[in-house]
Amino acid sequence: RKEVEQDPGPFNVPEGATVAFNCTYSNSASQSFFWYRQDCRKEPKLLMSVYSSGNEDGRFTAQLNRASQYISLLIRDSKLSDSATYLCVVNILKTSYDKVIFGPGTSLSVIP
Amino acid sequence: EPEVTQTPSHQVTQMGQEVILRCVPISNHLYFYWYRQILGQKVEFLVSFYNNEISEKSEIFDDQFSVERPDGSNFTLKIRSTKLEDSAMYFCASQKDGGANYGYTFGSGTRLTVV
Repeated sequence: RKEVEQDPGPFNVPEGATVAFNCTYSNSASQSFFWYRQDCRKEPKLLMSVYSSGNEDGRFTAQLNRASQYISLLIRDSKLSDSATYLCVVNILKTSYDKVIFGPGTSLSVIP
Repeated sequence: EPEVTQTPSHQVTQMGQEVILRCVPISNHLYFYWYRQILGQKVEFLVSFYNNEISEKSEIFDDQFSVERPDGSNFTLKIRSTKLEDSAMYFCASQKDGGANYGYTFGSGTRLTVV
């Protein structure tokens, strides 16, 4: 089983739609979780951390289910500028440092 | 907003040549990383670096690769004898501390093309 798995997409949604991305991870020692976005041929940029209680940042809501080893990202009221690849990132705490694993990403296209 | 700076943005090199990719992490960050992304594939971990030594390296990071922080500012990745399959986008990242709650700040990357 891969360490971090995501729906590959692509997700093609109209402007204003709500879209949800899923991510699962295999290592139960995973400590912290993030969503990054990556525009075509650009660097990944941190979108938001994912907290156990769930957290919201404007139109974006992240959820974590440790029992199921599952993370989600919900985008409400999609904008054209949300078109990007969304990367699920899992941080496994080692003895004195962290190991960060990137998922393969889910591609989103928001259509006018 | 503080940035991680990478140079060059694009490097073309012949197979078998040595390349050095340069990164200037954010000044008060302590942990440094190199990742690569082959076109159309996922971001892959290469190496982490803390306190002037490698913390962890992946199976990709073989004897052809090395990292250095020669002057307390720059953080370099050297590929000794490049292969065609080394063609990828190489991202440097830094992190303020190794705490699990901090995400990384990535540089804009160096696109390496080996011909």
